[in-house]
Amino acid sequence: DTAVSQTPKYLVTQMGNDKSIKCEQNLGHDTMYWYKQDSKKFLKIMFSYNNKELIINETVPNRFSPKSPDKAHLNLHINSLELGDSAVYFCASSMTQNIQYFGAGTRLSVL
Amino acid sequence: GNSVTQMEGPVTLSEEAFLTINCTYTATGYPSLFWYVQYPGEGLQLLLKATKADDKGSNKGFEATYRKETTSFHLEKGSVQVSDSAVYFCALRGQGGSEKLVFGKGMKLTVNP
Repeated sequence: DTAVSQTPKYLVTQMGNDKSIKCEQNLGHDTMYWYKQDSKKFLKIMFSYNNKELIINETVPNRFSPKSPDKAHLNLHINSLELGDSAVYFCASSMTQNIQYFGAGTRLSVL
Repeated sequence: GNSVTQMEGPVTLSEEAFLTINCTYTATGYPSLFWYVQYPGEGLQLLLKATKADDKGSNKGFEATYRKETTSFHLEKGSVQVSDSAVYFCALRGQGGSEKLVFGKGMKLTVNP
């Protein structure tokens, strides 16, 4: 029944590793997003896809690569993880120009 | 570019106290304005919104009015409850088709019994 679901909920890994976070929405929305929330709770958009096409790409290191296999999924792959990547990553979805619905977040800790 | 400035906490109140969280914005034209709430361990949820000047959004006893003249969207609740303890985010979406939400820095509220 979960509208926007992300996995895993927690991810602990070593510097230099490559990891992926998955996101799925069952709301029939056409737009999906990835946000990063830092330790001070500041929330900033990273990417957005509309109908599988990239429409927002903020200044994010190219170690981060989103992939949208279909409208219901937007995965985030991170290469060569760094300490500064530690944060909570939120996936969200919406119909174009409408309210965004957020997942519960993935807490990434890079050691 | 568009930006949102909101009160930074943390703020601690007693139950039944009055709450105001200030939010001002910078944007061209007429953005849409939102308040999102993040309860402990959860993702953000939309609390209320307003899409044009003088609109009042309301939900769960919270209210905010879109004031174009002061570029503000302050959140108020007359009597807070322990269950209102959360982080509150003011956000805007620019006019003209942008999907991007710009958030304020969030304010953590703790309500004690």
